[in-house]
Amino acid sequence: GNSVTQMEGPVTLSEEAFLTINCTYTATGYPSLFWYVQYPGEGLQLLLKATKADDKGSNKGFEATYRKETTSFHLEKGSVQVSDSAVYFCALSVYHGAQKLVFGQGTRLTINP
Amino acid sequence: GAGVSQSPSNKVTEKGKDVELRCDPISGHTALYWYRQSLGQGLEFLIYFQGNSAPDKSGLPSDRFSAERTGGSVSTLTIQRTQQEDSAVYLCASSSFGGQVYTFGSGTRLTVV
Repeated sequence: GNSVTQMEGPVTLSEEAFLTINCTYTATGYPSLFWYVQYPGEGLQLLLKATKADDKGSNKGFEATYRKETTSFHLEKGSVQVSDSAVYFCALSVYHGAQKLVFGQGTRLTINP
Repeated sequence: GAGVSQSPSNKVTEKGKDVELRCDPISGHTALYWYRQSLGQGLEFLIYFQGNSAPDKSGLPSDRFSAERTGGSVSTLTIQRTQQEDSAVYLCASSSFGGQVYTFGSGTRLTVV
């Protein structure tokens, strides 16, 4: 089946620190990979995506590279800000007549000034 | 509309009562999804609608849960005889046909007391 495993939280960092949130997946077929973010009091929103191997998704200083050989899609940012505090969800979709997203359990990130 | 609208934003109900949660997707989006986010857990898929096709109900946790989508637009998720374990945030999302990017609503926080 399809599943996503991501780094357990919570993760607490100081401002300007380097961030990595690990995400690995299991999929039947060739998935597209996503990171969604949920800021406090807001709905989930797409942060970035990659649809094929070696693609790099990027947005707001965040990056993730689709690694087929390691079945991973780790999220990175070189210098985090307090405003990055949120819950981050890794997800995949494999088209089987529908693009149903399968999510990881989420990682809560807190950035201290 | 401009975004996915869910109502109510919060609902407190007594154990054993029925509740209805509403989702108004983005105009023109043919796909509509319901997910459940329980405290400390990831997003759990519940049900998926795509146009006039039969819905994918594979994620509904019990026969107390049902959903309908009228006229290919608004959807209602109904939980009968609510239990305390039904307490969660219920999220609705919509996408264009075959679209990989979901737009999420802000969710309905359901508390069963």
